[in-house]
Amino acid sequence: NAGVMQNPRHLVRRRGQEARLRCSPMKGHSHVYWYRQLPEEGLKFMVYLQKENIIDESGMPKERFSAEFPKEGPSILRIQQVVRGDSAAYFCASSPYSRGSLNTGELFFGEGSRLTVL
Amino acid sequence: KQEVTQIPAALSVPEGENLVLNCSFTDSAIYNLQWFRQDPGKGLTSLLLIQSSQREQTSGRLNASLDKSSGRSTLYIAASQPGDSATYLCAAPGPSNTGKLIFGQGTTLQVKP
Repeated sequence: NAGVMQNPRHLVRRRGQEARLRCSPMKGHSHVYWYRQLPEEGLKFMVYLQKENIIDESGMPKERFSAEFPKEGPSILRIQQVVRGDSAAYFCASSPYSRGSLNTGELFFGEGSRLTVL
Repeated sequence: KQEVTQIPAALSVPEGENLVLNCSFTDSAIYNLQWFRQDPGKGLTSLLLIQSSQREQTSGRLNASLDKSSGRSTLYIAASQPGDSATYLCAAPGPSNTGKLIFGQGTTLQVKP
């Protein structure tokens, strides 16, 4: 059973370009979370998605950032018109948590995608 | 609002020493608490998950305790080894029962041979 798979592991973009980060959750997991870790800072929650639904996007910047988790395929975090301040490690986590029930499960994290904006 | 604090921010110990990492959280209405390890440039590895009904969990040389009433958790590492050198992160659930975690800033541990 493969773990949470993220790609690319490293991505370099110039200012103004778009960055797309992909996350495939663990098999059987239908809940995906994205976190950002800025240099020398802790992990900050960005967004929580289930298949075809955004459940909680309270941590997403208001502009340029979007996320989706389609019925088929990986979850995608999209950053438009990147700026140097977007340089960070972006982590995806998945959980088998069933909405509506008490969450007693763990989150399982991927290796992260490290974005560098030149 | 859940806030998680970890002290110390950094710790350096000689090999073989037993040590304790501390984590405190402001909202005690949690259903679990999770400890992670992060190596430089790597992802997060889950170490221990303590459910709210438990007071502690053990895995090998690691023991994590949870005291909801005081808003504290500790990670105890016995007989530390150089391979234990990493950043240790504590995470508690945020509000609204969506499963999202609020992380502390971490404790960076260096175990010297």
